[in-house]
Parts: sequence; structure tokens; C-alpha cells
Amino acid sequence: RKEVEQDPGPFNVPEGATVAFNCTYSNSASQSFFWYRQDCRKEPKLLMSVYSSGNEDGRFTAQLNRASQYISLLIRDSKLSDSATYLCVMDSSYKLIFGSGTRLLVRP
Amino acid sequence: EADIYQTPRYLVIGTGKKITLECSQTMGHDKMYWYQQDPGMELHLIHYSYGVNSTEKGDLSSESTVSRIRTEHFPLTLESARPSHTSQYLCASRGGGLVGTGELFFGEGSRLTVL
Repeated sequence: RKEVEQDPGPFNVPEGATVAFNCTYSNSASQSFFWYRQDCRKEPKLLMSVYSSGNEDGRFTAQLNRASQYISLLIRDSKLSDSATYLCVMDSSYKLIFGSGTRLLVRP
Repeated sequence: EADIYQTPRYLVIGTGKKITLECSQTMGHDKMYWYQQDPGMELHLIHYSYGVNSTEKGDLSSESTVSRIRTEHFPLTLESARPSHTSQYLCASRGGGLVGTGELFFGEGSRLTVL
């Protein structure tokens, strides 16, 4: 079983829609989680960290549920520029393990 | 912009050649990583380092080797390249304390093709 699992998508949504991604992880000892964004043929870039209390950055909200071992990312009011692959990342013994990514396509 | 650099950006070589992919960062980060990623596929951790003279294998079996003689430099070497090594190799680093911050800074990648 993979340490970090994501629905690969693609999620195809209209502009303005709200979309949510989930990610499950297997290592209950993991301390830290993150969401990264990767554009086609580009390197990944940090989108936001994920805290148990939940955190929000503009249109993006991230949440961690330790009991169920999943993290989520909610994007409100989707923009065309949000089209990318979103990677769930787990910090496991100082290694950063990436999920396979969820592809988001926002259409006009 | 992240100060982490990879060379070469693109490399096409024949089977059996020895190659070294270079990675340097000027941010003074202790932790450095090599990931392998095929087009449209996930990133796989192949090597990482906590600091000078520390190197560890990642989760994906790799025939490559790494070294960390200086903080800023983390080269990856393939002694005898094969077509199965064709892929993109991404170098990354992060700072912070013992655990490190979550932000990985990536280089632009080295795209390797072995004929």
C-alpha cells in the first residue's frame, strides 16, 4: 500500500466552482503534511501547510484529520489559473513523501 | 526565486556511459533530496541527505549514487546508464531545524534520455 494515496482525477470544473480533494496516509506517526502544486512540465511549489486546526489562505482551505488519517484541500471560486496537479505531501522521518497528485482542470 | 540549480537541464547519452547530474544550492540548507519523475507521473524519492557526509536511499530503488561533501552540493551519479534510467531528475532542498520546514525548493530538473 502506498504511504500517501490520492484520487488522480482529473477533476473538470467550471470557473467559480468549489472543489475538494482528499488524501489518505498510512503512517500514523507522521507529524507534518503539506499541499504542493505542480504545473505541467514545472517543478512542484508549496501551496500550504496543513494543521489539525485547519488553515485558510484566501480561497484555499486545508484540513487534517488524524483520527481518520486523511487531509483535504478545498478550493473556492475556482479560477482558470488553478488548473494544475495538486500533490499531497507527508513528512515521514524527515523525508517528504509525495502522493501521485490530483489533476484539476478549470474550464471557462 | 529559489537559489537551487541543476545541470545539465537536458542530456541525451548512449547506454553504458557514466553521468553525473549536478545540484547546487546557495541557501545554506542542510537537507537535500533527489526525486525521479516520469512525465505525468508521481515523484519518487531516490536519495536524501541531512547534511555533510550523510546520505540515505529513498523509497524507490535506484542504481544511482550520491555524495554530500559540501553543504551546497549534492551530485547524483549513474555509473552505467541504461534506457530504463530515462526520466526527469529533480533536486530539492529545505531549511529549518531538526525537522525542517515543509517548503522544498526545487531545481528546474535534469531531463535524461538514454539511448
